[in-house]
Amino acid sequence: EVQLLESGGGLVQPGGSLKLSCAASGFTFSDYAMSWVRQAPGKGLEWVSNIKTNGVSTYYGDSVKGRFTISRDNSKNTLYLQMNSLRAEDTAVYYCAKRGVWEAFDSWGQGTLVTVSS
Amino acid sequence: DIQMTQSPSTLSASVGDRVTITCRASQSISSWLAWYQQKPGKAPKFLIYKASSLESGVPSRFSGSGSGTEFTLTISSLQPDDFATYYCQQYSSYPYTFGQGTKLEIK
Repeated sequence: EVQLLESGGGLVQPGGSLKLSCAASGFTFSDYAMSWVRQAPGKGLEWVSNIKTNGVSTYYGDSVKGRFTISRDNSKNTLYLQMNSLRAEDTAVYYCAKRGVWEAFDSWGQGTLVTVSS
Repeated sequence: DIQMTQSPSTLSASVGDRVTITCRASQSISSWLAWYQQKPGKAPKFLIYKASSLESGVPSRFSGSGSGTEFTLTISSLQPDDFATYYCQQYSSYPYTFGQGTKLEIK
C-alpha cells in the first residue's frame, strides 16, 4: 500500500523559512515523479512543484518560483520542499503527491499545515 | 497558463440522482485531464485519468468524458458517500492547474 507522510509544517513569521519532508513507502520511490500541491484554508487546490525521478528536472508554479526548492533523496525515499521568503499567502495545507504512470496524482499524503503569520 | 473552469460551483442533488460536472480548459489539453474527489479535512482522492479512464477501485458509477477543451464527470446514481467537492486538473503543460471545484451537496 502506498503511503506518503508529510512533516515539517508549523507556524513561521513572514520572511522566514521552513522545510517540508514527505516520507514515501509501499512503492519504488525512485521510479516515480513526485509533486507538492497546496490548499489555502477554505480554498481550492494549487499545484506547487514537480520533480522528476532523476531529481534534476524540476518545475514550479509562478507564485513560488525563486522562493521554493523541491528536491528528493531516493536513497531515503523522501521528498522535500524548502520554502524561503514565506508570505502570508503561502499559508496552506501542503500535500505531497505521487505522479502515476499516466502522470496524474494517483496517491496523496494527509497534508501538513504551514501558517505564515507574525 | 491554462485556465480550468468548472461548472456549476455548487450542485444540490439527491441520492439516486444522475449528476454531471463540466470542466472547460482555456486551450486544448488533448485528454490530459484528471478528476479528484475531496471530503472536508481529507486529502484528495484520485478518480479518473486521461479524461475517461477510471482509477482502479473507483466505483463504476463514476465516468469521465471529453477531449480538447470540454470535459465532464458523471455520477450515474449518487450514493451518500459521493457528497464531496470535485476538482478537475490539467496536466498537459506547466503550470499544472486545477478547476476551482464543484461542491456536491445533499438536496
